[in-house]
Amino acid sequence: AQKVTQAQTEISVVEKEDVTLDCVYETRDTTYYLFWYKQPPSGELVFLIRRNSFDEQNEISGRYSWNFQKSTSSFNFTITASQVVDSAVYFCALKEDPGTASKLTFGTGTRLQVTL
Amino acid sequence: DGGITQSPKYLFRKEGQNVTLSCEQNLNHDAMYWYRQDPGQGLRLIYYSQIVNDFQKGDIAEGYSVSREKKESFPLTVTSAQKNPTAFYLCASSFQRGGADTQYFGPGTRLTVL
Repeated sequence: AQKVTQAQTEISVVEKEDVTLDCVYETRDTTYYLFWYKQPPSGELVFLIRRNSFDEQNEISGRYSWNFQKSTSSFNFTITASQVVDSAVYFCALKEDPGTASKLTFGTGTRLQVTL
Repeated sequence: DGGITQSPKYLFRKEGQNVTLSCEQNLNHDAMYWYRQDPGQGLRLIYYSQIVNDFQKGDIAEGYSVSREKKESFPLTVTSAQKNPTAFYLCASSFQRGGADTQYFGPGTRLTVL
């Protein structure tokens, strides 16, 4: 069965610090997709990134970067020079069975609090 | 603007009442989903639909019902059989393509049972 673990329940940092959110997943499939979503206080989940299991290249988008390592089944998310607007709950999710509508398996989320 | 709308934003229900949550999308997505979120937990799938007039149960379908009469709409009914319905409900949609599909979410409906 697929599973996603986000061991960090809550992280507090001061603005401009770098922060890494951990995500570890379990799956028996060789083909799968990993996602990160951001949930600000308003509640809506905002899509951040999708990676497939065949592409282990790290990705950078502005202050955001993602490190995908199949050897450790991890897909970690780093925010560089954090800002107050980054305060939110961040979810990592796993999707098996590509090509069909199926569920996303979510981790329990990491609440990030960025203070001045 | 293209997107997913959910209404109402807040909903209060008395015990024993059925209530219907609305979800509409104008993204021309094929698939639609309903998730439930409880405090401190991730999202859990209630129902999903790949095509009009067809839907499948997710992990926690008991006490819920859905319909998919139009591509744009996927309403969720929380019945009196749902023992603990107070939660945040999120609707999502995605294209159905040969590769992976990314699910995009609506703003959510917060249901409270009084």
